[in-house]
Amino acid sequence: GAGVSQTPSNKVTEKGKYVELRCDPISGHTALYWYRQSLGQGPEFLIYFQGTGAADDSGLPNDRFFAVRPEGSVSTLKIQRTERGDSAVYLCASSDLAGSDTQYFGPGTRLTVL
Amino acid sequence: GDSVTQMEGPVTLSEEAFLTINCTYTATGYPSLFWYVQYPGEGLQLLLKATKADDKGSNKGFEATYRKETTSFHLEKGSVQVSDSAVYFCALTPRGAGSYQLTFGKGTKLSVIP
Repeated sequence: GAGVSQTPSNKVTEKGKYVELRCDPISGHTALYWYRQSLGQGPEFLIYFQGTGAADDSGLPNDRFFAVRPEGSVSTLKIQRTERGDSAVYLCASSDLAGSDTQYFGPGTRLTVL
Repeated sequence: GDSVTQMEGPVTLSEEAFLTINCTYTATGYPSLFWYVQYPGEGLQLLLKATKADDKGSNKGFEATYRKETTSFHLEKGSVQVSDSAVYFCALTPRGAGSYQLTFGKGTKLSVIP
């Protein structure tokens, strides 16, 4: 079956601009996670959705970052007033908490802020 | 908070050599432990996992045993292949109620030469 998909695969933007990154989880997966992976580092947790609600947003670095999942499926990560330090690969993962705690990752969106 | 420490790379081995990548963790309670692998140009993939003490996870010739007494989850493979060249991440999720967010180590890059 289809895995987790993310669009775009690459995004180049200028400092100060607004960006949206999209994640389409595995069908039927109720849990969705966003992570950020900087060069040479492991992924770092940003936010977790259970259904439509953000159950844990403790990893969001500041209020420029926001994410939604209005219908409990597709999620959008939104970054306002981008800064060069936001450049990273943004990863999305989904899991079926009813089955296991294993998370399945998408290919990521590489964000470059010039 | 929870943390994962894994041996720094890069690690370069000859084909058919024995591989060990060390991983230790700090967490409250008894987390679930994972090894993820990132092949060049691809997304993160789950390699193996263990959910309780003394469990052994295994996949594709790789093994790791959950050692509660030493808080470790070392990855081993008896005979590596060139196709095993990738970045390997050790990770954990907390047990029980919560968001199951993954906490990753920094990753260990493995290069296998013919």
